[in-house]
This record gives sequence, C-alpha cells and structure tokens, in this order.
Amino acid sequence: AQKVTQAQTEISVVEKEDVTLDCVYETRDTTYYLFWYKQPPSGELVFLIRRNSFDEQNEISGRYSWNFQKSTSSFNFTITASQVVDSAVYFCALSERRAAGNKLTFGGGTRVLVKP
Amino acid sequence: KAGVTQTPRYLIKTRGQQVTLSCSPISGHRSVSWYQQTPGQGLQFLFEYFSETQRNKGNFPGRFSGRQFSNSRSEMNVSTLELGDSALYLCASSLRSEESPLHFGNGTRLTVT
Repeated sequence: AQKVTQAQTEISVVEKEDVTLDCVYETRDTTYYLFWYKQPPSGELVFLIRRNSFDEQNEISGRYSWNFQKSTSSFNFTITASQVVDSAVYFCALSERRAAGNKLTFGGGTRVLVKP
Repeated sequence: KAGVTQTPRYLIKTRGQQVTLSCSPISGHRSVSWYQQTPGQGLQFLFEYFSETQRNKGNFPGRFSGRQFSNSRSEMNVSTLELGDSALYLCASSLRSEESPLHFGNGTRLTVT
C-alpha cells in the first residue's frame, strides 16, 4: 500500500534562514505523482508543485526548490531565505496511476514556524 | 475563476444527528474529492466522485456517504454522528485524473458534542 512519511513534525527557523522539508514515499505503482501543498492558518490547502515519477528533474520556483530522487524515494522541498509568510503546515502527497482517479495519500505534515 | 466553495464553514451538531456538507467545484472541474482532517489521523481520503459516479473510496464506515450532481456540485453526508467525527472536512476539485492537482476549499469545521 502507498505511504508518505514526513519525519519532521515541526521546524522553527529565524527569518532568512533556509529550511528543508523531507518527504519519503512508498508505492508499488510504476507511475505515480508527487505533490506538495501548503496549509496556512486559514485552513485552505494550496497546491505548490506536482512531479511525475518519470521526471526526476529538480525544479526551482522563486524561493522554492524541489529535489526528487527516485533511488531513495524522496521528494524534498527547500525554502530559501525564509519569510514570516512562509509559516504554515506543509504536506507531501502521493497519487498512484492505478487508482484511476484522484486519491491522494498525505504525509503527516511539517509545521514551519518562521520567526522575525 | 471562482475557487472551490464549501458551505457551511462551521457546524455544531449533537451525537446521533446527521449532517450534510456542500461543495461547489471550480467551473469545468468534473472530479470532486472529500478529505477528513483531524489532529490525530491527519488528512484522510474519504471518497471521490467523477461525472456523478463514485470513482474511489477510502476506509471510512458506511455512515459517511456522498453524491455528485450533474453540475458537478457535491454533497457529503454523515449519519449517526459520533464525537470522533469532529474534524475539518475538506473538499477538492480537479480536472480529471490522478495526475491533476487538487484545488481545495476552505473546509467545513464540524464539531460534534
């Protein structure tokens, strides 16, 4: 069965520090999709990025970057030069192609607290 | 484009009652999914509807049910409420398949007393 593990439950940093969130996944499917979502205090989950299992190219978007390594089943997320507005809970999630539909398995989330 | 809309935002119910939550997806999105979020269990998948048919189902008891209408709007029903059903219920819509990102609503906070 599929599983997503986010070992870090909470990370506290001072503004402008970099922070890396770890995500390890398990799946038996050969085609799958990985996602990161951000949940600010308002509660709404905000989509950040999607990665296909066959595309291991890393990606950078502004202060965000993602490192996908199939060999270690990891999809880590780094926030560079963190800001107070980055304070939120971040979720890593997995969707399997064989589910033939939208069924996300989420990790437990990592709460990021950025102090001024 | 309007986002995913969930109503109501907050609900307080008593054990044994039933409740219906509503979700309006983003225009053009045909898939609607429901998730339960609790501090103890995290985010758990309830079910997904696509073109008025349940396409996927999570591991929840039969007290949890849902449906989707021809305009893609969806409702979720929980009967015989238990204290453990207190949670944030999140609805998400997407275009079609397992590779499509989900777009979430603000959720309905259900409290069972």
